[in-house]
Amino acid sequence: GQQLNQSPQSMFIQEGEDVSMNCTSSSIFNTWLWYKQDPGEGPVLLIALYKAGELTSNGRLTAQFGITRKDSFLNISASIPSDVGIYFCAGRDSGGSNYKLTFGKGTLLTVNP
Amino acid sequence: NAGVTQTPKFQVLKTGQSMTLQCAQDMNHNSMYWYRQDPGMGLRLIYYSASEGTTDKGEVPNGYNVSRLNKREFSLRLESAAPSQTSVYFCASSAIQPQHFGDGTRLSIL
Repeated sequence: GQQLNQSPQSMFIQEGEDVSMNCTSSSIFNTWLWYKQDPGEGPVLLIALYKAGELTSNGRLTAQFGITRKDSFLNISASIPSDVGIYFCAGRDSGGSNYKLTFGKGTLLTVNP
Repeated sequence: NAGVTQTPKFQVLKTGQSMTLQCAQDMNHNSMYWYRQDPGMGLRLIYYSASEGTTDKGEVPNGYNVSRLNKREFSLRLESAAPSQTSVYFCASSAIQPQHFGDGTRLSIL
């Protein structure tokens, strides 16, 4: 089935640093979503992207829908300890069901105070 | 403002026992989903219901059954639990996209 390559798998940074992570797919997507999961909880939607080239911010988070429609990027500026968690990308294949998402395997972010 | 509510939060079963995981959403969404999350595997779709009265298989449906009881509720049943079904199970709902998740059921099968 469809797979997303999410990188990096993990990051260990100092508080105040900026963070970048990305996802790439082998096929064209028409929706990209970014979620964060805290320990013991479910994924929480951070940002949704629906158009190629779209750049959307949510506080210190910024995500972009790649112009090739095969990738997406998430940046976190000035990281703080509560940014710790697993970040997942998810996408909807343009040739697939409206209801099915493909998920990346996640980026584990650790922030050292 | 509950969103997606899953019960129970934790459960331990013996091999061969049956179990139903419950999910309810209060966002008036048409579509509901069941996923399992395993270390290193990400989220994998078990079954989904695009609308009330319909259900479809996802990526890993074997060993599971589902019931869309009404627009709000979507249950997942394990008829004869196996150790390979030890996982964290998430329910989600959506209008179309994006999906909104519950906090999960942590299921261990001994």
